Amino acid sequence: GAGVSQSPSNKVTEKGKDVELRCDPISGHTALYWYRQSLGQGLEFLIYFQGNSAPDKSGLPSDRFSAERTGGSVSTLTIQRTQQEDSAVYLCASSPGRRGPSGANVLTFGAGSRLTVL
Amino acid sequence: GDSVTQMEGPVTLSEEACLTINCTYTATGYPSLFWYVQYPGEGLQLLLKATKADDKGSNKGFEATYRKETTSFHLEKGSVQVSDSAVYFCALSEGGSYIPTFGRGTSLIVHP
Repeated sequence: GAGVSQSPSNKVTEKGKDVELRCDPISGHTALYWYRQSLGQGLEFLIYFQGNSAPDKSGLPSDRFSAERTGGSVSTLTIQRTQQEDSAVYLCASSPGRRGPSGANVLTFGAGSRLTVL
Repeated sequence: GDSVTQMEGPVTLSEEACLTINCTYTATGYPSLFWYVQYPGEGLQLLLKATKADDKGSNKGFEATYRKETTSFHLEKGSVQVSDSAVYFCALSEGGSYIPTFGRGTSLIVHP
């Protein structure tokens, strides 16, 4: 697609429920990222996918968080047994997976999924 | 590990005022440096970048110079507009990693 699409844009859930957030990256981008943006906390890295390589999960805050990327394209971030502290905006980004002519790896972000856990 | 430190906001300015948002970084190698901007209700988008020391990135009237000696990449604009109101993120990406490190973001509010 023309840009990175995320859904839902807003999700309100009750504590203890599971949620799934979806990301559709730019066509042809092999790298996909999930970040969490909390008020006053900036961007927190969660997970990184690159092609068929094993994902870098080093940023996932607990085992309640998981993500998968099917067919090297769409990704789903799943949060099990949600807690109030999970409330945040979850941002997905993609990149070509290689450095551009300038030598920089530039990310393109989606508009985010705002999660509110009551 | 790598880190990025930005000045805390919000920064509140009148239209046509000068802007500086400070950004300093810690990295083990020679990173690429970025400024991303997030307008209300939107995702982050690249504003400008620099990939080596003394490079100056520029876009939409904004500039930032990669200063290796002071490990800084301050964002500047000579005359801000109301439409520049947004959150600005400084970021770095080390040569051996494809995972950028972001600062906390600085909110800019420009009044008419």
